Amino acid sequence: GNSVTQMEGPVTLSEEAFLTINCTYTATGYPSLFWYVQYPGEGLQLLLKATKADDKGSNKGFEATYRKETTSFHLEKGSVQVSDSAVYFCALSLKTSYDKVIFGPGTSLSVIP
Amino acid sequence: ETGVTQTPRHLVMGMTNKKSLKCEQHLGHNAMYWYKQSAKKPLELMFVYNFKEQTENNSVPSRFSPECPNSSHLFLHLHTLQPEDSALYLCASSKRERGPTGELFFGEGSRLTVL
Repeated sequence: GNSVTQMEGPVTLSEEAFLTINCTYTATGYPSLFWYVQYPGEGLQLLLKATKADDKGSNKGFEATYRKETTSFHLEKGSVQVSDSAVYFCALSLKTSYDKVIFGPGTSLSVIP
Repeated sequence: ETGVTQTPRHLVMGMTNKKSLKCEQHLGHNAMYWYKQSAKKPLELMFVYNFKEQTENNSVPSRFSPECPNSSHLFLHLHTLQPEDSALYLCASSKRERGPTGELFFGEGSRLTVL
């Protein structure tokens, strides 16, 4: 079946630390890959995406590269801020007749000053 | 302001009550979704409406009844719920042009507590 696996949280980092959140996927065909973020008390919002192998998505200092050979889409940021504290969801989208998006379980990130 | 508005933000109901959740999108999208977010579980896709037609019912119990009167509005009617139905219910929308993009726009959610 189609699924997304993320590293277990919660993750706690000091401000300006380097962030990596691992994500791997299982899918039939060639999905698009996404990272969504959910800030406290809010809904999810798209952070970045990649639609084919070797594409790199980036936004707000976050990056992730679509690795087909390792079926991975790890999220990285060089220097996190307190405002990055949120839950991060890796997701894939299948090319069906509608936007069928399958989410991972989410990784909670807390950044402390 | 995300362009997707959900009401109410918080709802407490007994197991015998009937209530509804409402979602409205102002983005000109043509697909709308209900997701359930429970603690320590992945987001669960419940229903999908594509151009007002229901295209997926993800084995959701009949005590949840969706309604999509037009492409801008989506409702989730609730009746005889169970305590395990307590969760955050998220509405989302997307726009299909030449095909699905996977880009969903979410509302802030309706936090439901069933006593």
